[in-house]
Amino acid sequence: GQQLNQSPQSMFIQEGEDVSMNCTSSSIFNTWLWYKQDPGEGPVLLIALYKAGELTSNGRLTAQFGITRKDSFLNISASIPSDVGIYFCAGPRANAGGTSYGKLTFGQGTILTVHP
Amino acid sequence: DAGVIQSPRHEVTEMGQEVTLRCKPISGHDYLFWYRQTMMRGLELLIYFNNNVPIDDSGMPEDRFSAKMPNASFSTLKIQPSEPRDSAVYFCASSGGLAHYNEQFFGPGTRLTVL
Repeated sequence: GQQLNQSPQSMFIQEGEDVSMNCTSSSIFNTWLWYKQDPGEGPVLLIALYKAGELTSNGRLTAQFGITRKDSFLNISASIPSDVGIYFCAGPRANAGGTSYGKLTFGQGTILTVHP
Repeated sequence: DAGVIQSPRHEVTEMGQEVTLRCKPISGHDYLFWYRQTMMRGLELLIYFNNNVPIDDSGMPEDRFSAKMPNASFSTLKIQPSEPRDSAVYFCASSGGLAHYNEQFFGPGTRLTVL
């Protein structure tokens, strides 16, 4: 189906370490989105990817659209305490006709804890 | 520019009462989405609108839930009667305009507690 599986489910790291997380699906996605959710807030869009193989950065964050179109990766370099939160991957669902209209499937999230 | 605005931020009510959640999307966006987030089920899409018209409400749990979008700048999600299992955080999101319609921008959410 169009489920998205994120790993790891949680991470506990020291400030300054690099972080890697990924998102996989058994279905092909044409778009990958990465969101971050702080406690008590809504998800915030970090990076959007639209092309297989695309590598996009946003400050210390870098995300890649896997060449198989079934996975995506998010890396955070030199983590800081404010990186704490839940990171979600998301992609648009395809209907029976193969197109999507903005409906997103979300992964279950990776919980990141950064120790000072 | 203002982001998606939701009200109230917190709502505590008793079982059986009617609850109305409100959302103002980002100006110029033509898609509006209502989500529910719980620990057990994660983020679930309830319903979405395009140009104020409901497109897909297959995620609405049951007839107790209804949503309206009377104009481009306002939407409501109503639960009547509310039940304890409706306790969750409800998010509104919008997309479209000059940005890609897949890039959804979320509001801060309404934390609903039904006693």
